[in-house]
Order: sequence, then C-alpha cells, then structure tokens
Amino acid sequence: EAQVTQNPRYLITVTGKKLTVTCSQNMNHEYMSWYRQDPGLGLRQIYYSMNVEVTDKGDVPEGYKVSRKEKRNFPLILESPSPNQTSLYFCASRGTQETQYFGPGTRLLVL
Amino acid sequence: SQQGEEDPQALSIQEGENATMNCSYKTSINNLQWYRQNSGRGLVHLILIRSNEREKHSGRLRVTLDTSKKSSSLLITASRAADTASYFCATDKSGGGADGLTFGKGTHLIIQP
Repeated sequence: EAQVTQNPRYLITVTGKKLTVTCSQNMNHEYMSWYRQDPGLGLRQIYYSMNVEVTDKGDVPEGYKVSRKEKRNFPLILESPSPNQTSLYFCASRGTQETQYFGPGTRLLVL
Repeated sequence: SQQGEEDPQALSIQEGENATMNCSYKTSINNLQWYRQNSGRGLVHLILIRSNEREKHSGRLRVTLDTSKKSSSLLITASRAADTASYFCATDKSGGGADGLTFGKGTHLIIQP
C-alpha cells in the first residue's frame, strides 16, 4: 500500500531534550515536506526537500533541522525543543504530479 | 505566509444540502488544490484545478477557479454525514522554484443528520 508513515504518532517531551520525528514514504517520491498545524493558523511548511541531499527552508524553519540521506526518509529534528513547538506535525511527499500525500501526523507536546 | 483564506471558517448544514466553501489567494498560481482533513488526521487530496481551467468536477465535488479575482470555490452536492471534516485550499509553490503547498486556514464543515 502506497503510504507515508511517521513515528512517533504522539510524543511528550521537555524543553531542551533533542528529538527526531521520522518520516518514510514507499512511493519513490522525489519531493518531501514537513508542515506544522496550529489552531487558527492552518498548515505551515517547515522544510522541504526536492531530492536526496537537497533541502531548503519553508515558511517557519526556525528551531528545526532536516536531512535527506535516502530518498524514502525525511526526518525532522528538533535540537532543543521549546513549548512554542508544541504542535501537530505532518510529513508529505509527492512525485512528478502535484498531489501531495500526507502522513497521519505526529502530535508533539513540549513541556 | 498564508496564501489562501477560506470562507466561511465554519459551516453547519443539514444532510442532503449542498455545501459551498470559498478560498481567496494572493499571488499568481500554477494550480490550486483542495484537501480534506478528518479531525486531527492527515490530509487527503480531493481535487486539483490548474490556472488555465475554470471549472472541474469529481463525483459530488465541483471546483471553480477565477484567476482574475484570485478565488476558488468548492461545492459539495448532496452532503452526507461522512463529509463532516475540515477543508483546505492550497496553492502550489513549485512555480516559484520552491516546493510544497501554502495552505489557507480551512473551513470546518459539519453535516447534521
């Protein structure tokens, strides 16, 4: 089944404790993105990648890092999480078509 | 920055009625897409309309695009309880050398049985 998977689905952590949210897609897609969703703000793009080793900032990249060492994986790294990064995070991918395929989301709470 | 703005923010109708949601955007686009999100879950692509198209249909969905007004509408006909969800319009960044989508804030649709 074609899908985007994210792990973990739920995470509670404390300020300053580094964490990584993994994202993997099995559709051989070149393009991948991370978004965060906050009440009243909709979804905002954090980072995107147009292929292996090609990443760039989206609209709200501060406090986040990404890497794209393999085509299928696009982890989101929070080196020193802060409470304002409490949010619902979505990974998405697409191939040559414009339609994006979204993962199920990761709900993060930073205390 | 938010590209699309949906209107209304929330809409409650009776099952069987039609639901119309509107979206406005700010810059020129290659295409505009509509997505559905069931409570707290991932987004699902519904329909894409290109900048040179004015109207598109998919099942009970009808999308219109007016590039002169920078607006789009999504019509869901003969609504069902299962249509209860949030609906987002999104514009494609790829024409500007980037990738990904810029989303509006969404319309929350409630279908009353």
